[in-house]
Amino acid sequence: QVRLQQWGAGLLKPSETLSLTCAVYGESFSGFTWNWIRQTPWKGLEWIGEINHRGDTNYNPSLKRRVTISADTSKNQFSLRLRSATAADTAVYYCARRYCDSARCYTLDYWGQGTLVTVSS
Amino acid sequence: DIQMTQSPSSLSASVGDRVTITCRASQGIRNDLGWYQQKPGKAPKRLIYGASSLQSGVPSRFSGSGSGTEFTLTISSLQPEDFASYYCLQHNTYPPTFGQGTKVEVQ
Repeated sequence: QVRLQQWGAGLLKPSETLSLTCAVYGESFSGFTWNWIRQTPWKGLEWIGEINHRGDTNYNPSLKRRVTISADTSKNQFSLRLRSATAADTAVYYCARRYCDSARCYTLDYWGQGTLVTVSS
Repeated sequence: DIQMTQSPSSLSASVGDRVTITCRASQGIRNDLGWYQQKPGKAPKRLIYGASSLQSGVPSRFSGSGSGTEFTLTISSLQPEDFASYYCLQHNTYPPTFGQGTKVEVQ
């Protein structure tokens, strides 16, 4: 049974760094990409970026300048850091898995439970 | 970025109704599209992948169709547990992008 469990600070001040971690249970790291997505009532769902087991990353250009996604394969965990947070980064953040085989990748399947992050002074 | 235009943004329906939701991509995405259901306070749940493949465990009243730029999610007979929000997601081109969502409400 695949399960993603995420955690991190829920309240930040402007200019601080948002930091979240997602642990993967019941599945190995390889053969998938590990993603971060966020959701707000005004912008909807927004893909932030992904990492694979080799450490290769892809980021949304809109956030690339401030985002780092890293992985610790020994712990089956991956993390999100978003620097210089502002109120516009207030959102529910999700981690999620995407399966890729030799031919193609598929849509996100398993998701974490979500973490509300509020950026406020 | 590929824009996913989802319609309608909301609809009112009754149990037993047939419901259709559409997503239109700003450029061709083959069949690289999924559909998700989301209930308040929960993560999205995948219903359909590859535009038309039913996720294991999802009731057969859900179906997806389309390819290229036009996609449809159909609920053949709406059940009480289906009142929720629905989203499409394209993963053909980076960055993956979501539709704005459709809220299915009780009529």
